[in-house]
Amino acid sequence: SQQGEEDPQALSIQEGENATMNCSYKTSINNLQWYRQNSGRGLVHLILIRSNEREKHSGRLRVTLDTSKKSSSLLITASRAADTASYFCATGHFQGAQKLVFGQGTRLTINP
Amino acid sequence: GAVVSQHPSRVICKSGTSVKIECRSLDFQATTMFWYRQFPKQSLMLMATSNEGSKATYEQGVEKDKFLINHASLTLSTLTVTSAHPEDSSFYICSARDGAYEQYFGPGTRLTVT
Repeated sequence: SQQGEEDPQALSIQEGENATMNCSYKTSINNLQWYRQNSGRGLVHLILIRSNEREKHSGRLRVTLDTSKKSSSLLITASRAADTASYFCATGHFQGAQKLVFGQGTRLTINP
Repeated sequence: GAVVSQHPSRVICKSGTSVKIECRSLDFQATTMFWYRQFPKQSLMLMATSNEGSKATYEQGVEKDKFLINHASLTLSTLTVTSAHPEDSSFYICSARDGAYEQYFGPGTRLTVT
């Protein structure tokens, strides 16, 4: 299976702390994307990083990509209770219809 | 912009019946649409990829005769779960791509088969 792995599977921190989630994948990619999903809802696109990029920022989000290690990390700074959700990485591949392969996800809980 | 809708949001059906789920791109033309299934506390698994006007490409292990996909226009794709059984109960999510890398996801449809 191409499906990547994320760790940790679950993360619980206090509001205001930083949260770091990691994603590893197995095959060459065109891009890597991070999504957020609130319980029972659809996915919200957070950020896309291309294979030739190493770091990208968007507001309180920072994403890094290390293609040599086939890994990526998502950092959420100054976490808020509203950040409580599941976070998924998804890799976009060169072949075919640019389909996405999702990681297992990290369930993030921000405690007030 | 880039809004994708799904209908219905929830559906309960009896075992043996068929259910149709619609996925629409509201403000863009979707060259490709994708259908995913998500079981509780699990990740999204791609079921199939559909391009407007052509047959869908199914992922390994997904029964194409059970999950019928039609992509009749650049803004509408439908997934029909035929002869549904309780094990088909799941969260079905579609996404649409406008030609770039990013996929825009619908809000999902929760299917419960009794």
